[in-house]
Amino acid sequence: EPEVTQTPSHQVTQMGQEVILRCVPISNHLYFYWYRQILGQKVEFLVSFYNNEISEKSEIFDDQFSVERPDGSNFTLKIRSTKLEDSAMYFCASSEKGAKYEQYFGPGTRLTVT
Amino acid sequence: AQRVTQPEKLLSVFKGAPVELKCNYSYSGSPELFWYVQYSRQRLQLLLRHISRESIKGFTADLNKGETSFHLKKPFAQEEDSAMYYCALSGVSGGYNKLIFGAGTRLAVHP
Repeated sequence: EPEVTQTPSHQVTQMGQEVILRCVPISNHLYFYWYRQILGQKVEFLVSFYNNEISEKSEIFDDQFSVERPDGSNFTLKIRSTKLEDSAMYFCASSEKGAKYEQYFGPGTRLTVT
Repeated sequence: AQRVTQPEKLLSVFKGAPVELKCNYSYSGSPELFWYVQYSRQRLQLLLRHISRESIKGFTADLNKGETSFHLKKPFAQEEDSAMYYCALSGVSGGYNKLIFGAGTRLAVHP
């Protein structure tokens, strides 16, 4: 069965550094999402992406964040200048149709900012 | 404001006991409600959604618009049901493209 994959599984970076988290959504899916979960807190929506553009973003998704689909398979989340509070588990998800339908989640990337 | 509330962080039951994981929501339109589950060391996966009205692994959930609730129930818990359960909401108008999650309830089923 096709799965969403994410790399790396764990990323450690220093405050102020740029990080890129990578995701490969399921191949026939059209909608892509990033969520994050700070330890001990709830899963929070960051951004949704459809037809090569952001369709919705949360207040968390400020100018430090960007997303890109650089080719036909990858979907990336970039954090330009990481802060300590960006430490979290970041989940990528994809959906064949909109968010009314099932979203398939990746295993997550644990980002640790020191 | 769109919000999902799961009041219990942990629900601990014995095998064979009934289970009810509570979920209440706040949303001004007509939401779509989901239960997602995360077993140990596995990814988040959909358990069920209210529009399909099906039973998965013996679990059911009924949307009660009057009480704005979508509680997850199972008559007889099994040890393999032990997992983290998240209630989530997706809006039909506004917030169409995102899931709003509750804080999650950890279900522990003891032998």
